[in-house]
Amino acid sequence: DAGITQSPRHKVTETGTPVTLRCHQTENHRYMYWYRQDPGHGLRLIHYSYGVKDTDKGEVSDGYSVSRSKTEDFLLTLESATSSQTSVYFCASRSSGNTIYFGEGSWLTVV
Amino acid sequence: EDQVTQSPEALRLQEGESSSLNCSYTVSGLRGLFWYRQDPGKGPEFLFTLYSAGEEKEKERLKATLTKKESFLHITAPKPEDSATYLCAATLISNFGNEKLTFGTGTRLTIIP
Repeated sequence: DAGITQSPRHKVTETGTPVTLRCHQTENHRYMYWYRQDPGHGLRLIHYSYGVKDTDKGEVSDGYSVSRSKTEDFLLTLESATSSQTSVYFCASRSSGNTIYFGEGSWLTVV
Repeated sequence: EDQVTQSPEALRLQEGESSSLNCSYTVSGLRGLFWYRQDPGKGPEFLFTLYSAGEEKEKERLKATLTKKESFLHITAPKPEDSATYLCAATLISNFGNEKLTFGTGTRLTIIP
């Protein structure tokens, strides 16, 4: 367990509004990830970070940006939310033993 | 294209009825194969990592095995509390250091009392 907390856990927002999801981990893990989970697609990587201020794109990064100003925090921003971004978002971090642990998820609905 | 495919999509078993879940992968250089359990409304919970063909790992009623093309999650004498979605994921040698996971879509397991 990597002590990962996500906030908010549930959010409803309107199309075109910006949204930021926060991920906080307490284990000082270097690598952190944002995934989204949708029926029929499984978990897909949005962005990941390999250190403070070091980030890279995953397979479904369009419409998303991330920032990591501290080791423990990894933010996911939807600059202008669209209905296709309605999903469950999971943050994860990697331990020194190469195990990837997940948070409890953030349910986002864009109406 | 690198892919991870799980079968069956859903499986219903009577309590005590043993079975296996399959995860096949077509990736260019497997570095690790992960199994997770996910309960409704929760995040994936880590179960096992397998790194080389022939490797096996066990935890309670679960045993994971790995060959060069697939992995199996064997469940022996399951109980209703084993009901969950089981996810398989792979990391690639090309991702060494980043350890990005490519997931299958999961097998939804239901154990009937």
